[in-house]
Amino acid sequence: DGGITQSPKYLFRKEGQNVTLSCEQNLNHDAMYWYRQDPGQGLRLIYYSQIVNDFQKGDIAEGYSVSREKKESFPLTVTSAQKNPTAFYLCASRQFGTEAFFGQGTRLTVV
Amino acid sequence: AQSVTQPDIHITVSEGASLELRCNYSYGATPYLFWYVQSPGQGLQLLLKYFSGDTLVQGIKGFEAEFKRSQSSFNLRKPSVHWSDAAEYFCAVGDGNKLVFGAGTILRVKS
Repeated sequence: DGGITQSPKYLFRKEGQNVTLSCEQNLNHDAMYWYRQDPGQGLRLIYYSQIVNDFQKGDIAEGYSVSREKKESFPLTVTSAQKNPTAFYLCASRQFGTEAFFGQGTRLTVV
Repeated sequence: AQSVTQPDIHITVSEGASLELRCNYSYGATPYLFWYVQSPGQGLQLLLKYFSGDTLVQGIKGFEAEFKRSQSSFNLRKPSVHWSDAAEYFCAVGDGNKLVFGAGTILRVKS
């Protein structure tokens, strides 16, 4: 089945720790996105990538990093510089001019 | 910059009643417009989309939306709501390579 797979579903981070969220797609889409979701704030764009080895900051990139070494994969690292990382993270992919397809999300909690 | 406004944070309707969720956007050119639905702890599922042509768009699960350029609106409607429609609904506008989302409307259904 074609789709987007995010892992893990739940992730716990200790203070000062970096963690990486995985996102893989087999839809052959060029563009991939990471969004952060907090209650009442909708989806806010963290980073996006239109092509392999290229990515751009979104509206809330501080404290996050990404890589796009393969078309299918767009991992997100939440660094210790992100002071309030507890949130629901959604990965999406898209071909330009079409709708986005979303993964099932990763819930990150700071412990 | 483009923006999306969903004026209603929460809406409660009785089962069997009609539904309208409002969405206004700010965008200079002809937009790509989308409605997505999200169940708790899940990813987003596309309900319908508008790119061009007929301004009344039919989607899945009996939903429809009407694009009104003069009002910069893309309201979502359903003639008869079912209890399973309880979820959060997001309107989005496509701007080039990005999708911008509204803050969402939480729909509650009374039996």
